[in-house]
Amino acid sequence: EVQLVQSGVEVKKPGESLTLSCKGFGYTFSDYWIAWVRQTPGKGLEWMGIIYPGDSDTRYSPSFQGQVTISADKSINSASLEWSSLKASDTAMYYCVRLRTLYEPENWGQGTLVTVSS
Amino acid sequence: QTVVTQEPSLTVSPGGTVTLTCASSTGSVSSGYYPNWFQQKPGQAPRALIYSTSSRHSWTPARFSGSLLGGKAALTLSGVQPEDEADYYCLLYYAGVHIFGGGTKLTVL
Repeated sequence: EVQLVQSGVEVKKPGESLTLSCKGFGYTFSDYWIAWVRQTPGKGLEWMGIIYPGDSDTRYSPSFQGQVTISADKSINSASLEWSSLKASDTAMYYCVRLRTLYEPENWGQGTLVTVSS
Repeated sequence: QTVVTQEPSLTVSPGGTVTLTCASSTGSVSSGYYPNWFQQKPGQAPRALIYSTSSRHSWTPARFSGSLLGGKAALTLSGVQPEDEADYYCLLYYAGVHIFGGGTKLTVL
């Protein structure tokens, strides 16, 4: 069974750094794209970017380019989403998603809630 | 920047049929936009329902069907059940970018 397991709840202050993780189980991690999706409180879904763990090919949505860093380590079957300096507006739920193909998001992680507040 | 538009809310009676649509500011949605549909219930992660316009995932009930309708992607629920009350999101792929619609809140009443 394919599973994506994400790291736990985070509470941070503005200006702090943060890395979220997403670990894949039940499939060959390096062979499938992983996407990150943001959902702000009470709002819809936003596509942040994707990474192919096999060769670390990474593509960002224009709104998130330069704002976050997506990476993956295929040796430990894990993808990451990183901020160097958080803002209050980064407060959201973040999901990782396995794509069966580039066009077919299939399996979702349980989400990680991030709260950024002074 | 491309905008993907869905109905903000719809209401359907149990056992009824409802169609949700997904439009693109770029023009008519085609199969080349690879429309996907997702369901999200309160407090849960989204769940994939439909990919590539009309293909169901193995867990998707047969009452959910996807199509292209009048230049838009469409998700039709037939024989709606109370448990289908949820938010529904479409996702389009255009010019190398994935874009979600704003979501439709479906009420079963």
